[in-house]
Amino acid sequence: AQSVTQLGSHVSVSEGALVLLRCNYSSSVPPYLFWYVQYPNQGLQLLLKYTTGATLVKGINGFEAEFKKSETSFHLTKPSAHMSDAAEYFCAVTGIQGAQKLVFGQGTRLTINP
Amino acid sequence: ETGVTQSPTHLIKTRGQQVTLRCSSQSGHNTVSWYQQALGQGPQFIFQYYREEENGRGNFPPRFSGLQFPNYSSELNVNALELDDSALYLCASSLIANYGYTFGSGTRLTVV
Repeated sequence: AQSVTQLGSHVSVSEGALVLLRCNYSSSVPPYLFWYVQYPNQGLQLLLKYTTGATLVKGINGFEAEFKKSETSFHLTKPSAHMSDAAEYFCAVTGIQGAQKLVFGQGTRLTINP
Repeated sequence: ETGVTQSPTHLIKTRGQQVTLRCSSQSGHNTVSWYQQALGQGPQFIFQYYREEENGRGNFPPRFSGLQFPNYSSELNVNALELDDSALYLCASSLIANYGYTFGSGTRLTVV
């Protein structure tokens, strides 16, 4: 069984400040981890994913995430927030066994203050 | 490279009715998955199709059913609609064992 917990349903940062969105997972098999972004009335866009290899993963729009197995975490960061980063962010996990279903967290709404 | 296309974008149905949602997979993808996203929630896995067969199912009742066609497009059918079925329905396509999921923009279903 797999699950994802996103700490903080709402995060607010100033433009230019560090963005940190937290994600902890539980998985009985080696996890594959994802971050997606969702803008209002739109579908999900992949920011980045970890499958195997390097634990620091770089994605689009300046985002990156680090897989820490010992902490069961996959936190998303961006050094400097832009107004265009305001959106809903979802962390998801899947495993290599069985159907490739994604298990999502509840989401974190990111607000950027000017 | 085409993306994932879903139709219709919005739909209003009455409780007890049946609905069919459609999805065209991204070119080259052979697997399609459907997700339900209730307002303010993360998406929930409904089921996945590979080679026109159901390849996995989430915790949804049998009145949620699907089809995958030889061209890898797909349908989601929901019978006996309930008010709680109101949600954004997302389709995602991928290559089996690739984990590169591409999502469509979704169909917003409202049940009244």
